[in-house]
Amino acid sequence: RKEVEQDPGPFNVPEGATVAFNCTYSNSASQSFFWYRQDCRKEPKLLMSVYSSGNEDGRFTAQLNRASQYISLLIRDSKLSDSATYLCVVPHNYGQNFVFGPGTRLSVLP
Amino acid sequence: DTGVSQDPRHKITKRGQNVTFRCDPISEHNRLYWYRQTLGQGPEFLTYFQNEAQLEKSRLLSDRFSAERPKGSFSTLEIQRTEQGDSAMYLCASSLAGQTEAFFGQGTRLTVV
Repeated sequence: RKEVEQDPGPFNVPEGATVAFNCTYSNSASQSFFWYRQDCRKEPKLLMSVYSSGNEDGRFTAQLNRASQYISLLIRDSKLSDSATYLCVVPHNYGQNFVFGPGTRLSVLP
Repeated sequence: DTGVSQDPRHKITKRGQNVTFRCDPISEHNRLYWYRQTLGQGPEFLTYFQNEAQLEKSRLLSDRFSAERPKGSFSTLEIQRTEQGDSAMYLCASSLAGQTEAFFGQGTRLTVV
């Protein structure tokens, strides 16, 4: 099993839709988790941190299920500008190594 | 701009040449990471420094890859005898100790011809 796995995508959704991405991880010792957004040919940028059961920031909600070792990202009322690749990131060894999932690509269509 | 800075942004080199990339982290960050990213994949961890100490280097792709952070500030990543398979985006990130988020530079895109 890979250390971090994500929905393979791509997801093509119309503007205004709600879309959810899933991520599973293998390291049960990890305490915090991150969702990064990466635009084409750009560097990853932090979207959300998840330290407890979940986090909400505007249209974005992240949920964590430690028992199932599962993290999700929900985007409501999606915008054209949400089109990007979403990377699930799990720190290992207290941040000595951030392990990235392969990413899920989202295209929001007009 | 006080973010992570990488230089150069783009590098084209001939197979067999050596290349060196530089990363300047956010000034108060004591941790520095190097990643490699190929098209359609997430970033792949290469190595990590805490201050000047290289604490994890087992994931460097081969002995042609080496990294330094001599004074605990900027870092360099060197690839010797480049191969076409080394063509990728090389990303540097920095963070504070602990499980806080990492901040990325814009990357160096290497093309080996």
